[in-house]
Amino acid sequence: DTGVSQDPRHKITKRGQNVTFRCDPISEHNRLYWYRQTLGQGPEFLTYFQNEAQLEKSRLLSDRFSAERPKGSFSTLEIQRTEQGDSAMYLCASSQNVGTGANVLTFGAGSRLTVL
Amino acid sequence: GDSVTQMEGPVTLSEEAFLTINCTYTATGYPSLFWYVQYPGEGLQLLLKATKADDKGSNKGFEATYRKETTSFHLEKGSVQVSDSAVYFCALSGATNKLIFGTGTLLAVQP
Repeated sequence: DTGVSQDPRHKITKRGQNVTFRCDPISEHNRLYWYRQTLGQGPEFLTYFQNEAQLEKSRLLSDRFSAERPKGSFSTLEIQRTEQGDSAMYLCASSQNVGTGANVLTFGAGSRLTVL
Repeated sequence: GDSVTQMEGPVTLSEEAFLTINCTYTATGYPSLFWYVQYPGEGLQLLLKATKADDKGSNKGFEATYRKETTSFHLEKGSVQVSDSAVYFCALSGATNKLIFGTGTLLAVQP
C-alpha cells in the first residue's frame, strides 16, 4: 500500500486558466476528502465522497470548483477560471467508514497551486 | 458549528523541555478528537486520537486526554527532541464525518 497519492505536486498557472488535481486514495478506503490549506492556517474542508457519491460540499466552495469520483476509486478536483486567491495547498485524504468510533483520515502530500 | 481553538505559536523550547499545546473545542454531541503533525516538507500525519471522554491518546511520547468537562484535548510531552519540531494541529470529527482543524501551532525545539 503506497498511501494516498496526489498529482501533480506543484502547479503554476496563470489567472483564468483551468487546473485539475488527481487523488488516488488507499485502495480499501471508501471515503475520500478534499481540503485546502493556506500558509499559517489549518486545513479547510472542501468536499467529501463515500464511494462515488459526493455527500457534502462546503458552502465556502465557489461554483468554479468541482470534484468527481466516478468509479469510487480516484478523484479529481477541477478549478475553473483560477484566481490568485485560489493559491493554496490542496490536500486529499481517505478513510474507511467503520460506522462507529474514530474516522481516521490518511492524508496525501498535497498539490501546491500557485496562480500568477 | 463545530470548531477547534488551539494556542498560537510559535512555541520555542530547548531540548528535553516539557511541552504543552492547548486545544479546546466546541461541538454538539460527542466528537472524536485528534492531534495531527506536519513535519517540514511532509504531509499531515496522525499523531494520536481519543474517541470518548477521559480517553488518553498516546504516541511517540506525546499524550492528550479527552476532557469533556473542560472541552479540552491538550497535547503534552515530557521531554521534547529537536526531531519534534513541526506544526501540530488539533482536530475534531463529529456527526458530519469530516475533520475540523485548528489553525496549527508551530513548535521549534533548539538543541
